[in-house]
Amino acid sequence: EVQLVESGGGRVKPGGSLRLSCAASGFRFTSHSMDWVRQAPGKGLEWVSSISSNSYKYYADSVKGRFTISRDNARNSLYLQMNSLRAEDTAIYYCARLAAASGYYFDYWGQGALVSVSS
Amino acid sequence: QSVLTQPPSVSGAPGQRVTISCTGSSSNIGAGYAVNWYQHLPGTAPKLLIYVNNDRPSGVPDRFSASKSGASASLAITGLQAEDEADYYCQSYDSSLSEGVFGTGTKVTVL
Repeated sequence: EVQLVESGGGRVKPGGSLRLSCAASGFRFTSHSMDWVRQAPGKGLEWVSSISSNSYKYYADSVKGRFTISRDNARNSLYLQMNSLRAEDTAIYYCARLAAASGYYFDYWGQGALVSVSS
Repeated sequence: QSVLTQPPSVSGAPGQRVTISCTGSSSNIGAGYAVNWYQHLPGTAPKLLIYVNNDRPSGVPDRFSASKSGASASLAITGLQAEDEADYYCQSYDSSLSEGVFGTGTKVTVL
């Protein structure tokens, strides 16, 4: 059974940092690109970042230069280092697996980690 | 700012058919990129509902179907049930942004 479990969320002050983790199990982690998608309060889903199986990295303009995505294939884990956090980064952050087949879709999602940026 | 536009809400009585539109542009849906649909209940993980225009993952009932034409797509729910009350998002790839993009989201209410 495919499982994605996020951790590391919490409350942080503006300008602070936080590191999210996503533990993956039940599939061959190295065969998939992995993404972070977020949902701010009262808003829709927003793609944040993606990392390919061979660690090519992509970022939304809203987080470029502040967030860093990484993966540890030996630990079947995905990470999101978030620096210089802003109030508008407050959201539930979901770890999502990009399907190996063509079509660019997310076939499994985690339950999410809540990040709250507030003074 | 979403590049795929959906109606904020749709509603229907149990058993009825509702449709949700998803309007894109020549750099995403209109460019031929696949459209995918997700069902999301607040506080839970989003669930893949339809992928690559009109394929359903195992376990998704055939009451859910989708279509695509030009730069737009739509999701249809037939035989609406109380459990279908949720938020629905379309999603595609945008070649101008070089990233996956989501629709604005539609809340389905079962009357």
